[in-house]
Amino acid sequence: GAGVSQTPSNKVTEKGKYVELRCDPISGHTALYWYRQSLGQGPEFLIYFQGTGAADDSGLPNDRFFAVRPEGSVSTLKIQRTERGDSAVYLCASSLSGFEQYFGPGTRLTVT
Amino acid sequence: GENVEQHPSTLSVQEGDSAVIKCTYSDSASNYFPWYKQELGKRPQLIIDIRSNVGEKKDQRIAVTLNKTAKHFSLHITETQPEDSAVYFCAAGNQAGTALIFGKGTTLSVSS
Repeated sequence: GAGVSQTPSNKVTEKGKYVELRCDPISGHTALYWYRQSLGQGPEFLIYFQGTGAADDSGLPNDRFFAVRPEGSVSTLKIQRTERGDSAVYLCASSLSGFEQYFGPGTRLTVT
Repeated sequence: GENVEQHPSTLSVQEGDSAVIKCTYSDSASNYFPWYKQELGKRPQLIIDIRSNVGEKKDQRIAVTLNKTAKHFSLHITETQPEDSAVYFCAAGNQAGTALIFGKGTTLSVSS
């Protein structure tokens, strides 16, 4: 079946701009996660949704980051006033059981 | 919070040899330990996982062992092949639906 998909695959933006990153989870997966991966590092947790609600947003680095999942399926990660330090690959994962997490291909964000 | 240490950071083996990657974790409440394989520019791919109620799990050429007392777990790959070359990440989670905490990764190179 179709895996987790993310759009866009690449995003280049100028410092200070607003960006939205989209994640389409595997159909039927109620749990959705956002991670951020910097070069040479493992994925770093940002936020976890169970259904429509954010069950854990403790990984969001500051209030410039926000995520929504209004209908319990597609999720959007929103970053305001982007900074060069936000440059990374943003990964989305979904899970049916809450244990096995399946990742999307990621969005590579570059802030110039 | 949880901290996961992974070593070695790089590992080079000859085709047909075995490879072992080790991880330690700090939170005794952690009970789920997945391993991911990530090829360059690709998504992390779940290859095997283990829960705390078992000490070992095997799937063809790969196996994972868990020592809860010592708080460490290991990935074993036997009869390595060039296509096993990738970055491998271990992770730990403490219940269904929570964030995974990842190690920094091991770059495995298998030469023929």
